Amino acid sequence: GENVEQHPSTLSVQEGDSAVIKCTYSDSASNYFPWYKQELGKGPQLIIDIRSNVGEKKDQRIAVTLNKTAKHFSLHITETQPEDSAVYFCAASTGPGGTSYGKLTFGQGTILTVHP
Amino acid sequence: KAGVTQTPRYLIKTRGQQVTLSCSPISGHRSVSWYQQTPGQGLQFLFEYFSETQRNKGNFPGRFSGRQFSNSRSEMNVSTLELGDSALYLCASRRDSLYEQYFGPGTRLTVT
Repeated sequence: GENVEQHPSTLSVQEGDSAVIKCTYSDSASNYFPWYKQELGKGPQLIIDIRSNVGEKKDQRIAVTLNKTAKHFSLHITETQPEDSAVYFCAASTGPGGTSYGKLTFGQGTILTVHP
Repeated sequence: KAGVTQTPRYLIKTRGQQVTLSCSPISGHRSVSWYQQTPGQGLQFLFEYFSETQRNKGNFPGRFSGRQFSNSRSEMNVSTLELGDSALYLCASRRDSLYEQYFGPGTRLTVT
């Protein structure tokens, strides 16, 4: 089955710096890669996603890049703010048309701390 | 639009008991998935339901079961609770033909 590795496990940055979180996946059939942000006491919130037919996607201060050949994808947050502090999870899926339907396989998470 | 709702938010049970958790998906979403989140194992897929049928199942023992009703609401049941079942149980919903999944706030289950 799919295996997703996420690094680093913790990341500490100063406000205004950039943060990068990286993930690798094992199943070449995976074609959908979402990123979730989880704050204390809340469920994961979808913040950005990318499909395998796209190499990069941006949404204001966040961007995701995908390298299908190397089977890795990354989350980039620019101009970080204290409210970006949370746990971030990457995930991989074969998508609704795949044999696993909506099953998401998650990375272990990254605790991001943004210091004012 | 209302998000995914889960009830109850917190539960304390004793070993050997059973528990039922409930999930109401976003209106129009007919696919519901359940995940278990623990500090040691992270987020793990339990099962997915669509049109009252289980379509996919994760690697959990048979003590974990679920069902979906005709209005797309879903329940999951854990029988003969063990201490290791203490976790945050998350429900996610999506439109069947789309990729995006949206999570509820979870039910925090503590087994003593």
